[in-house]
Amino acid sequence: DGGITQSPKYLFRKEGQNVTLSCEQNLNHDAMYWYRQDPGQGLRLIYYSQIVNDFQKGDIAEGYSVSREKKESFPLTVTSAQKNPTAFYLCASSIRQSGDTQYFGPGTRLTVL
Amino acid sequence: EDQVTQSPEALRLQEGESSSLNCSYTVSGLRGLFWYRQDPGKGPEFLFTLYSAGEEKEKERLKATLTKKESFLHITAPKPEDSATYLCAVPRGTDSWGKLQFGAGTQVVVTP
Repeated sequence: DGGITQSPKYLFRKEGQNVTLSCEQNLNHDAMYWYRQDPGQGLRLIYYSQIVNDFQKGDIAEGYSVSREKKESFPLTVTSAQKNPTAFYLCASSIRQSGDTQYFGPGTRLTVL
Repeated sequence: EDQVTQSPEALRLQEGESSSLNCSYTVSGLRGLFWYRQDPGKGPEFLFTLYSAGEEKEKERLKATLTKKESFLHITAPKPEDSATYLCAVPRGTDSWGKLQFGAGTQVVVTP
């Protein structure tokens, strides 16, 4: 089955640690995205990538980093510089162009201890 | 600034009690409007894309419509399994490739 997978489902981080969230898709989509979701707020864009080896900052990129070495993979690192990282993180992908439907993975819930 | 506003924030329905959710937007050059369903602790599930005013799409008990300034998601004779948060989103202005502006969602609870 084609789809988007995210791992782990739950992640706990101690203050001062970097953690990496995995996102993999087998839909052959060119574009991939990372969002953050907090209670009562809409999804906010962290980073997005249109093609391999290229990515752009979204609205709230500070304290986060990404890489796009393979078309199928778009990992997100939450660094210690992110002051309030506890949130639900969602990865999405779309075929290519602006206006294309974005399909979402199941999400990773990150909690800072 | 592109904005998407959803109302109401929460909606409690009896099973079989039809209702509508609203998504109003301010964005130049609309290039589509997306509706998603999100269950607690899960990723959003795609429902519909609408591209032009007057367009309608249906899926089971859900029907989405679009005007020049807003979209409605009508839930006809809802069942408890329709309980979820419904999100709408629009692509941002013409120079914002791939970026979607999401509303905060409407949380729907359907009781038996």
